[in-house]
Amino acid sequence: GNSVTQMEGPVTLSEEAFLTINCTYTATGYPSLFWYVQYPGEGLQLLLKATKADDKGSNKGFEATYRKETTSFHLEKGSVQVSDSAVYFCALILRTDSWGKLQFGAGTQVVVTP
Amino acid sequence: GAGVSQSPSNKVTEKGKDVELRCDPISGHTALYWYRQSLGQGLEFLIYFQGNSAPDKSGLPSDRFSAERTGGSVSTLTIQRTQQEDSAVYLCASSLAGGTQAFFGQGTRLTVV
Repeated sequence: GNSVTQMEGPVTLSEEAFLTINCTYTATGYPSLFWYVQYPGEGLQLLLKATKADDKGSNKGFEATYRKETTSFHLEKGSVQVSDSAVYFCALILRTDSWGKLQFGAGTQVVVTP
Repeated sequence: GAGVSQSPSNKVTEKGKDVELRCDPISGHTALYWYRQSLGQGLEFLIYFQGNSAPDKSGLPSDRFSAERTGGSVSTLTIQRTQQEDSAVYLCASSLAGGTQAFFGQGTRLTVV
């Protein structure tokens, strides 16, 4: 079946540290890949996306590259801020499914301390 | 509206009671989705509406769960004879038909006691 696996949290790091959250997937077909973020007390928001192999999604200093050969979509940020503290979800959509029918990973909580 | 609105934001109900959760999508969004976020299960897709019809109900966990959408806008998720395992945050999302981004509401936290 289709699934998304991401590293367990919480991930705790200091301000200005480098952040990586690993995400790998299994899918029948050729999915589109997403990172969503959930800030405390807020709804899920799309952070970035990539729809084909070798595409790089980027937003707010975060980046992730669609790697078909390793079926991965790792999220990175070079210098985190306290305001980046949130839960991050990796997700995929199969091309045969409707947009919005997302398959999510379990989420990774990130805590950034001053 | 400006965003996806869900009500109530919190609901506590007794086991065995029925509950209704409401979702107001972004104006003009024809696609609407319900998800459930629970400890141990993560985020699960429940049902998808395109207009008033539901072409994909594959995620509804049992026949106690149903949803409808009227006027291509507001949707109601109904859980009958609630059980403790139904306790979760229920999220609604909407998108344009053919759009590549789904916008989520803040969810309804349901607690069954």
